[in-house]
Amino acid sequence: KNEVEQSPQNLTAQEGEFITINCSYSVGISALHWLQQHPGGGIVSLFMLSSGKKKHGRLIATINIQEKHSSLHITASHPRDSAVYICAVRSRSNYQLIWGAGTKLIIKP
Amino acid sequence: DTEVTQTPKHLVMGMTNKKSLKCEQHMGHRAMYWYKQKAKKPPELMFVYSYEKLSINESVPSRFSPECPNSSLLNLHLHALQPEDSALYLCASSFPRDSDSTNEKLFFGSGTQLSVL
Repeated sequence: KNEVEQSPQNLTAQEGEFITINCSYSVGISALHWLQQHPGGGIVSLFMLSSGKKKHGRLIATINIQEKHSSLHITASHPRDSAVYICAVRSRSNYQLIWGAGTKLIIKP
Repeated sequence: DTEVTQTPKHLVMGMTNKKSLKCEQHMGHRAMYWYKQKAKKPPELMFVYSYEKLSINESVPSRFSPECPNSSLLNLHLHALQPEDSALYLCASSFPRDSDSTNEKLFFGSGTQLSVL
């Protein structure tokens, strides 16, 4: 079992729909990151969370430390949101990020 | 300036070539990273520099040689690569772990797409 599990692996939705991507982890963490990667490479860090909830524009990230679970929500989704969304956790015991496999999101017009 | 700049964006090299990938940031970050990413896979950590010193080498073959000449620059020297080394190479930077954790956000460059023939 991977230490960081994301679901779903792939998600296709219509423009305007509310999107939820989930991340569960099994290790003790100091922080959890949500990142976005568009085709062609560049990775953008969306959120870094250690507790609670953060909001930036149409994106909302929540984390439940007791349940070892985080969600990324996108409201009023748009085709430009199409990308791979990756959850990564920083283990409390070492420097390294443990990466999820990513969720490929496609928003159709 | 919140950018990490990587050059070149694309690189094709033969197995006998020597080339270098470059990464630059001017955000005052003192931790810099090299990642390797194969298609449809998450990035794999290769090296971490903290305060210009190599702090993590994830058992990377010696044909990859990192260098951190100063706090803004990170290089990855390539020599005698194999076709299986073809991948996207990503550079990232952040404040080091022992600083205020709220500054631990990672900033990535757009990567160098490397093809080894």
